[in-house]
Amino acid sequence: AQKITQTQPGMFVQEKEAVTLDCTYDTSDPSYGLFWYKQPSSGEMIFLIYQGSYDQQNATEGRYSLNFQKARKSANLVISASQLGDSAMYFCAMREPSNTGNQFYFGTGTSLTVIP
Amino acid sequence: DSGVTQTPKHLITATGQRVTLRCSPRSGDLSVYWYQQSLDQGLQFLIQYYNGEERAKGNILERFSAQQFPDLHSELNLSSLELGDSALYFCASSGDRPAGTEAFFGQGTRLTVV
Repeated sequence: AQKITQTQPGMFVQEKEAVTLDCTYDTSDPSYGLFWYKQPSSGEMIFLIYQGSYDQQNATEGRYSLNFQKARKSANLVISASQLGDSAMYFCAMREPSNTGNQFYFGTGTSLTVIP
Repeated sequence: DSGVTQTPKHLITATGQRVTLRCSPRSGDLSVYWYQQSLDQGLQFLIQYYNGEERAKGNILERFSAQQFPDLHSELNLSSLELGDSALYFCASSGDRPAGTEAFFGQGTRLTVV
């Protein structure tokens, strides 16, 4: 089974609107971390936000928030007030700890286009 | 700046050749991961090293190999290169605290095989 599933290959959003990028995950480990990365056309991978499995509150970082629904195993990224510079690929990732070093799993990504 | 350094940033080489990609992880990070990202594709996990030892293998071809040295820097060796090996190769590093931390990515090496 896929560890991370992103079902939206591409998304469009109007500038200044909010957009939600979906991510579901699969793990039986009680301790895990969830991450979102942004990859603009220049190619670098930019860390956006982190949610720990034991965190009670949803993580927020500026215009980014993570809608964490543990029972549903979903970790959707919400971008508020979209900007043209938000156009990029977005990857959801999960970290499972182990005594041999953390294992990271990435989704296939969602391409977001912000329309002026 | 993520603290992870990859060299070179760009590499153009001919089919059949061999190249070495280098990665210096963030200071103190014991885990190094290598990923391949072909055009318009997601991240394909290749291999993970932890404190000098191979810990996990993904979709890494037999023509590819990697190692992590005592100073924790890592090299990815790609041999008998084919056109299809053209991709962006990322190195990432991570700490190993139980609470964990994100994987910090280097800028990537863009390999073009002609």
